Amino acid sequence: ETGVTQTPRHLVMGMTNKKSLKCEQHLGHNAMYWYKQSAKKPLELMFVYSLEERVENNSVPSRFSPECPNSSHLFLHLHTLQPEDSALYLCASSQASGGARTPETQYFGPGTRLLVL
Amino acid sequence: AQSVAQPEDQVNVAEGNPLTVKCTYSVSGNPYLFWYVQYPNRGLQFLLKYITGDNLVKGSYGFEAEFNKSQTSFHLKKPSALVSDSALYFCAVRDEGGNTGKLIFGQGTTLQVKP
Repeated sequence: ETGVTQTPRHLVMGMTNKKSLKCEQHLGHNAMYWYKQSAKKPLELMFVYSLEERVENNSVPSRFSPECPNSSHLFLHLHTLQPEDSALYLCASSQASGGARTPETQYFGPGTRLLVL
Repeated sequence: AQSVAQPEDQVNVAEGNPLTVKCTYSVSGNPYLFWYVQYPNRGLQFLLKYITGDNLVKGSYGFEAEFNKSQTSFHLKKPSALVSDSALYFCAVRDEGGNTGKLIFGQGTTLQVKP
C-alpha cells in the first residue's frame, strides 16, 4: 500500500471551505485516477490523467478541480462542496502503455475520508 | 455498453469452508477482468486479473478466479476461507473504449467469514 499515498486520510470541511486532497505514487507509473466511493454505490471514476494530461472527466461538478503537476503527484482541489459530496476519495495509478489491448493494473491509495458539513 | 454485476450484496461462510463471490460481465469484445479487495478504512488492493489463456487465474492470499466465457462469469474462489478474508470485494472490467485504462466496477460484495 505504500506505493500510492494519500493525504489527509480524514477531512472535515464546511461548505464554504477550500481544501485540497493530495496523492503521490512511488511506482513510476504514468497514469493517475481519482475515484469517489459512496456508501452502497459502485466506485465512480472522476478524472483520469495520462502523461500529466487530463484524458477523462466524467461529468464531475466544477467544485472539484484536479491538478497533475507531474506524473507522481495528483491533487483534487475542493471548493464550496455539498453534504452529498461526503465520501471516500480514492486515488489510483497505473502504467498505461496505450490501447485497449493493454489491461494494466491500477494500484490504489488508502483514500481520504471526506465529510462535508 | 460494458457492465459488471455482482449479484450478492453479502456472502456468509464459515471459516475453513470454500467460498465463492460471484461476478458476471457484459462486453462486446475480449474481456479483461479484475478482482480487488477492500478492508475497512483502506484502499482497494489488487487480487488478480484475467487477460487471456488459462481460465483459472491464481492471485494473492490464496484466491483464484474462474473465467467462463459461455456464462460470461468470473467468480472469485478460495478453497478454505479465513476470518481475515472478511472484506469488501469488487469485480471490474477494463473499459474497451479509449486508451485511458478505465475500469468499470461492480457494486461490491461483502464477504463475512465466521469462526
